[in-house]
Amino acid sequence: NAGVTQTPKFQVLKTGQSMTLQCAQDMNHEYMSWYRQDPGMGLRLIHYSVGAGITDQGEVPNGYNVSRSTTEDFPLRLLSAAPSQTSVYFCASSYSKFRGNSPLHFGNGTRLTVT
Amino acid sequence: AQSVTQLGSHVSVSEGALVLLRCNYSSSVPPYLFWYVQYPNQGLQLLLKYTTGATLVKGINGFEAEFKKSETSFHLTKPSAHMSDAAEYFCAVSEASGTYKYIFGTGTRLKVLA
Repeated sequence: NAGVTQTPKFQVLKTGQSMTLQCAQDMNHEYMSWYRQDPGMGLRLIHYSVGAGITDQGEVPNGYNVSRSTTEDFPLRLLSAAPSQTSVYFCASSYSKFRGNSPLHFGNGTRLTVT
Repeated sequence: AQSVTQLGSHVSVSEGALVLLRCNYSSSVPPYLFWYVQYPNQGLQLLLKYTTGATLVKGINGFEAEFKKSETSFHLTKPSAHMSDAAEYFCAVSEASGTYKYIFGTGTRLKVLA
């Protein structure tokens, strides 16, 4: 199994550009989520989804959109990139939205720089 | 809302010495607790988790953690540090609010000195 796959690994954007970070999992997990990691701030939840067609906001949702049309895919869209969105982005999935003892499985991250 | 506090953003130990990374959580109900490790330029990997039952939890690579409800703590230990343990470690709690959300601490970077 590939697990959680994120693309691209690196990306440089200019302020105002848009882009989509891709995330796919092949474990049939219900729960998928996006985090950003910034120095000294740990991981902060951006958006999450508990199944196809269902998404909700996390701690820092502003400037980001998500959709979940299939169980496997959970793309993160930046509509108009800002330097404050320079970060490392992680996609993570878990088996069940109702089982809090299910650990998260992480992708290897996307390092985004906005100039 | 739950929160997770990791004391010490950087910890240095000598090779062979005890590793102790601290984690405290706030919760009004018994939570599910996790420790993850992140090696450079990689995603996070699960080290161990506490759900119910035995309060001393053993994980991979010789790490273990003890859930202490009275102290709301879940500290991570390893009796003897190895150079390969150098990484960043994150404590996390899953919060039950209909569905589960995972809340992470700010991380502790472990440096192992030769």
